[in-house]
Amino acid sequence: QKEVEQDPGPLSVPEGAIVSLNCTYSNSAFQYFMWYRQYSRKGPELLMYTYSSGNKEDGRFTAQVDKSSKYISLFIRDSQPSDSATYLCAMRGEYGNKLVFGAGTILRVKS
Amino acid sequence: DGGITQSPKYLFRKEGQNVTLSCEQNLNHDAMYWYRQDPGQGLRLIYYSQIVNDFQKGDIAEGYSVSREKKESFPLTVTSAQKNPTAFYLCASSILGQGASPLHFGNGTRLTVT
Repeated sequence: QKEVEQDPGPLSVPEGAIVSLNCTYSNSAFQYFMWYRQYSRKGPELLMYTYSSGNKEDGRFTAQVDKSSKYISLFIRDSQPSDSATYLCAMRGEYGNKLVFGAGTILRVKS
Repeated sequence: DGGITQSPKYLFRKEGQNVTLSCEQNLNHDAMYWYRQDPGQGLRLIYYSQIVNDFQKGDIAEGYSVSREKKESFPLTVTSAQKNPTAFYLCASSILGQGASPLHFGNGTRLTVT
């Protein structure tokens, strides 16, 4: 079993839809949770990060962490074609610099 | 502008040849990393370095080698011992010692070995 599970998709939605992207994990020591966005043939860029449980909002993006269920989510409101990309979740424990990544979910927003 | 530069963007090599991928950063970050990305597998850590002249193996170090002679540079050599070298290689850096320190990535090198 992988430490971090993420549905690879692709997930296709119409423009303006609310998108929900999710990851589950098995290591209860994870404390920092991140979402990266990766456009085709580019490197990932940090989109959101949260510490421990709770919600964090930034514009159209909301990151949610439920440590009791070992489940994290990224919500995108009013999705745009420019949101079409691969979304990678990543997480790490309290100490150290090693991140564990999910496999990524391909999102396609159709205009 | 600060960032990470990887070169070349595309690299083609014959089987049995060693090849070196370049990674340079001007973010003044202490830690640097090499990841490999394959379809459906996410990012896997090859090597990382937290300080000049020191580096540690990641999860898939076999068939790879690195050096860290300067803070700004962390080249990766893919040797002929690497059984499946064709992949997208990503270099990253981060501020050392901060648990929530995000990784900054370069735009990758796509290596094709035939």
